[in-house]
Parts: sequence; structure tokens; C-alpha cells
Amino acid sequence: DAGVIQSPRHEVTEMGQEVTLRCKPISGHDYLFWYRQTMMRGLELLIYFNNNVPIDDSGMPEDRFSAKMPNASFSTLKIQPSEPRDSAVYFCASSFLGSTEAFFGQGTRLTVV
Amino acid sequence: ILNVEQSPQSLHVQEGDSTNFTCSFPSSNFYALHWYRWETAKSPEALFVMTLNGDEKKKGRISATLNTKEGYSYLYIKGSQPEDSATYLCASFRRGGSNYKLTFGKGTLLTVNP
Repeated sequence: DAGVIQSPRHEVTEMGQEVTLRCKPISGHDYLFWYRQTMMRGLELLIYFNNNVPIDDSGMPEDRFSAKMPNASFSTLKIQPSEPRDSAVYFCASSFLGSTEAFFGQGTRLTVV
Repeated sequence: ILNVEQSPQSLHVQEGDSTNFTCSFPSSNFYALHWYRWETAKSPEALFVMTLNGDEKKKGRISATLNTKEGYSYLYIKGSQPEDSATYLCASFRRGGSNYKLTFGKGTLLTVNP
């Protein structure tokens, strides 16, 4: 398996635009987590899925953020409209309950100007 | 404790020094405690996954202990080397009903000076 794959690696967009971040988890993993890394808050959990079902989205900062997992091999995190304060590195991680170890993607560095 | 707390926030040591960090986590609904190593411009990678109270794990010069009853874990690095410089993250994997949640502390940034 190639590991957790995120795309794009870098995204620069203008304020007000829609941004979609993508994640392909490791095959067979039943948990998928979206995190945002900032200097102030560290690695902040935004939302997580179990078997494609969103379980806890209490970390999603605002209604501008939404996430979906239409199948076991794909998830998206969408920001609409984007704002400069959304600039951060967004990580996706997947895990299998049997071992619980989380495997991270390379992250998407988002810059909103 | 409601959140995962790590201390110190940052640490500078000299090559050859031994050091340790602390992780405090909610002891209720505990399932597993993770330690990750996070190098600059890379993604976090797991060092240890610990589940049993009193568990001790070792990987080379790095070891960790776990106390689930009081909710803390220690990470030890013996004879620090410059390549050990990284952020060390602790994460709590907790039950929430029939599901599980992985929550991270803010990490300890270790800098090892040659």
C-alpha cells in the first residue's frame, strides 16, 4: 500500500473561493481523521469517520467547513468560502482499530490570500 | 484531565544528554496511548502504541512507560543525538460510545545541539 495519500500538497487560493482537500486512506483501515496544524493549537482534530460514517465533527470550526466520505477509499474536506485564517497544514490520517496506530498523509498546505 | 497535555513545550539539550517528556491524558474510557515523532516538513510517525497499565516499550535509545490509572506516560531518550531533534507527540485513543477518538497533545519540541 502506498500509505495515506493527500492532494493537493499545496493550495493557494483567494479569499472567498471554495477549497477541496482530498484524502485516500490505507486500504482496510476503518477510521479516518482530519486534522489541522496551527502554531497556536497544534494538531487539532476537525472530524473523524468510522466505516465512512462521520462520528464527531465537533472540531470543525465553522459551517464553512464540511467533510464527506462517500466510500472507504476517499474523503474530502471542503471550505466554502475560504478565509485567510483558514491558512494551515491539513492532515488526513487513517487507522485500524486492531492496532490503533494512525498513519498520516503528507498534508496539504493551504494558503488563503 | 479533559485534554491531552504535554510538557515541556520545548527542550534544548546537548548531544549525549538523556531527557524525558511527560504526557497527561484522560484516564476514563482509555483504549490506547500513542507516541509519535514528527520531523520538520514530514508527517508524524508512530513510535509506540501502548495499551496496558504499567506497559514499557523500547526502541533503540527511546523508551516509554504508561500509567493508565493516573493518566500519564513518559518518553525517555537516552544519549540524545542531533538526529533526535523533532517534535514528539502524544495521543490518546479513547472510547466514545461504540466509537473511538484519537486526540493529540501539542507536542514537545526537542532540539539536540551537537
